[in-house]
Amino acid sequence: GEEVAQTPKHLVRGEGQKAKLYCAPIKGHSYVFWYQQVLKNEFKFLISFQNENVFDETGMPKERFSAKCLPNSPCSLEIQATKLEDSAVYFCASRGEGPLSYEQYFGPGTRLTVT
Amino acid sequence: AQRVTQPEKLLSVFKGAPVELKCNYSYSGSPELFWYVQYSRQRLQLLLRHISRESIKGFTADLNKGETSFHLKKPFAQEEDSAMYYCALLTGANNLFFGTGTRLTVIP
Repeated sequence: GEEVAQTPKHLVRGEGQKAKLYCAPIKGHSYVFWYQQVLKNEFKFLISFQNENVFDETGMPKERFSAKCLPNSPCSLEIQATKLEDSAVYFCASRGEGPLSYEQYFGPGTRLTVT
Repeated sequence: AQRVTQPEKLLSVFKGAPVELKCNYSYSGSPELFWYVQYSRQRLQLLLRHISRESIKGFTADLNKGETSFHLKKPFAQEEDSAMYYCALLTGANNLFFGTGTRLTVIP
């Protein structure tokens, strides 16, 4: 598609439940990024992919967060056993390949509320 | 480690007045900086990239390496400029490191 799509828009989970968020990058874009925005503060980088390969995962909490970008499927971000502090808006962005493709295009975000 | 500081959470100016949104950074490498904007109910979008040296919607931003700043300026603010503005630094791993943002309100 022409825009990054994210589903669902809102997700409510009880503490300890699993949450799974999806991102469809712009067609032809090979890089996908996930960011977490807590309480309208700065965006915290979580993980990036180049096609289906993890490119940088330095921002990912190791224990409960995982992500995948499989061919012909939306990318996903999964949180096992959610905690209250996971409540945030999760943004996905995609970018093309090459030095002229510097712009990251953002999705509308998924608001996760953990109760 | 990198740092991006936007000292003003909120900024209000009158229509037609000049506006400056401040951004300071700390980065050990050669910085590549951006301004992103989020209008009400819209997604985050790129406004400016320092390398391109463009003027978009009347906004300009100059990278000052001596002062480690990348302030966003516009000589005459318009009501449609009201939005959330984020300064961001591109890291060596090609992800963006954002400041906390400044909410600009242009008063009619």
